[in-house]
Amino acid sequence: DAKTTQPNSMESNEEEPVHLPCNHSTISGTDYIHWYRQLPSQGPEYVIHGLTSNVNNRMASLAIAEDRKSSTLILHRATLRDAAVYYCILRGAYSGAGSYQLTFGKGTKLSVIP
Amino acid sequence: GAVVSQHPSRVICKSGTSVKIECRSLDFQATTMFWYRQFPKQSLMLMATSNEGSKATYEQGVEKDKFLINHASLTLSTLTVTSAHPEDSSFYICSAPGTSGSDTQYFGPGTRLTVL
Repeated sequence: DAKTTQPNSMESNEEEPVHLPCNHSTISGTDYIHWYRQLPSQGPEYVIHGLTSNVNNRMASLAIAEDRKSSTLILHRATLRDAAVYYCILRGAYSGAGSYQLTFGKGTKLSVIP
Repeated sequence: GAVVSQHPSRVICKSGTSVKIECRSLDFQATTMFWYRQFPKQSLMLMATSNEGSKATYEQGVEKDKFLINHASLTLSTLTVTSAHPEDSSFYICSAPGTSGSDTQYFGPGTRLTVL
């Protein structure tokens, strides 16, 4: 699997936007960019994913660089409940149920300051 | 969204005993589920892929005779830690993909195992 690089930690003030970067310079043409987050003592939860175009959903936005070698998860207004570890994961195209497995890196620990 | 539950949420056991952890997909069927282990301040590590009606597939370095996986139905997978030792103390998390072709994984809330 192609590797991703994320900062170990970031801080944000509450109600400010947060931009979480992810580098994936060895991404292949069929790799999707997935973001999951893990709140303390909980299982991860899906945030967003994309292939080439920027994506928006109710939780966040995903901005993908034109060369796809990097992406940025954008939380528009950080809340205390957004404090979590955010994982940027590359996954190939669906090729059967076994292909769903995710390889987690160390992620970025986001702290939100009241 | 789809919900995955785990039971128990936390368990404390004596060294040498076996512990069973259940993972259920509550409102969808899952022919495949995944089991992860997470040690404190570390990331999730995939242990095995659980397949309904067939044998689980284990990742390199994971002992299949120690971590028994049974995927008896389309909504239930169980992980049994046999002859548990203190080094098996960890946070065990299961996940299941959403509907066929969906790109989303749904994770359970995790089970905290402490072996004394």
